Amino acid sequence: DQQVKQNSPSLSVQEGRISILNCDYTNSMFDYFLWYKKYPAEGPTFLISISSIKDKNEDGRFTVFLNKSAKHLSLHIVPSQPGDSAVYFCAANDGTSYGKLTFGQGTILTVHP
Amino acid sequence: DAGVTQSPTHLIKTRGQQVTLRCSPKSGHDTVSWYQQALGQGPQFIFQYYEEEERQRGNFPDRFSGHQFPNYSSELNVNALLLGDSALYLCASSFFSYEQYFGPGTRLTVT
Repeated sequence: DQQVKQNSPSLSVQEGRISILNCDYTNSMFDYFLWYKKYPAEGPTFLISISSIKDKNEDGRFTVFLNKSAKHLSLHIVPSQPGDSAVYFCAANDGTSYGKLTFGQGTILTVHP
Repeated sequence: DAGVTQSPTHLIKTRGQQVTLRCSPKSGHDTVSWYQQALGQGPQFIFQYYEEEERQRGNFPDRFSGHQFPNYSSELNVNALLLGDSALYLCASSFFSYEQYFGPGTRLTVT
């Protein structure tokens, strides 16, 4: 049962343009969401998060949007840079404790110079 | 400030053997979580340790066990290894936060 889904295995974007990575979830108990970036041979690196009481959170070039009614979140990267090329995972927590994160399968982002 | 460290980096074991993986959390963190990441998949939660106790567990068999020490470091033990246990094992630490900080992982290969 895949409770967090990233339906696009890969995304290719030109440098300077916007990258939009999408994530859907099925568990209505999820109320905190995170995005992680992973380079080869490294562990996932925390990027940005959003609580279910918000619909948008920004941090520099990264913005996360949450649509609770649609059970959908997205990560926008503007402008995209070649160094952003990595695997991006969305993750969710059900808010009952600072515990289990449920991850999606990941989206490989390639930013071309 | 040292981040999360894990050892060893790589490990090759034979089916039926036992393995122990180690993790030191980021300075100031007291909670350690373990995840298994199969090729092409996202990390899957194994369990979490806090105050030397297993606080939460994912859908993994009892062959997977762990321990947390008074200095907050942690071990993951896997008994009776199966070929399907081959994966990247990630340790993450946190301190009263949903945001978990990950180590580089241990690549386990079972032959």
